[in-house]
Amino acid sequence: EIVLTQSPGTLSLSPGERATLSCRASQSVTSNLAWYQQRPGQAPRFLIYGASSRATGIPDRFSGSGSGTDFTLTISRLETEDFAVYYCQQYGTSPFTFGPGTKVDIK
Amino acid sequence: QVQLQESGPGLVKPSETLSLTCTVSGGSISSYYWSWIRQPPGKGLEWIGFIYKSGITNYNPSLKSRVTISLDTSKNQLSLKLSSVTAADTAVYYCARDGRTFAVWGQGTLVTVSS
Repeated sequence: EIVLTQSPGTLSLSPGERATLSCRASQSVTSNLAWYQQRPGQAPRFLIYGASSRATGIPDRFSGSGSGTDFTLTISRLETEDFAVYYCQQYGTSPFTFGPGTKVDIK
Repeated sequence: QVQLQESGPGLVKPSETLSLTCTVSGGSISSYYWSWIRQPPGKGLEWIGFIYKSGITNYNPSLKSRVTISLDTSKNQLSLKLSSVTAADTAVYYCARDGRTFAVWGQGTLVTVSS
């Protein structure tokens, strides 16, 4: 199975700052990479698919990039509601797998 | 707007079968793939499997011998059965729309495996 590694484990930033989250796959997933946001006590929220396409209703401060094995989620200017855990997920090869998550917390 | 709601027992004894139902409202269950995903307390997400209306299923090999996902189109519901559970199966169980990416999620239901 494809293993996803996310870094850093925790990112401490202030509102208005830029967040850069990384996801690395153990083998190529081409562009079959999605990102989700999970706030405490809530279900994950679908943010990005195809490595760089925003899901319906997702603000344009969220952007994704990358292909193959290295991917990035960028939040251009953090808002209060963006402090959460972010997971990447590959769907290029079954079983579909998730990364361990990056927690973005308030500095 | 499709909405999903999981339901089922919150407590299951070891070695027994976990059974959950997901009720779909605001759309037909025949129109999409449907998935189950779980999350142990304080941990990450694990894909369990998906089903399509034709009966096509795809399960995570780590759970394949114990998992059954099925559809009841007359009730617009999907179900999950996980047999021979242990404490390691304690998790929040989510149903989600689609088979490869997961655009819509239920709120999740916590299932604890304990005697």
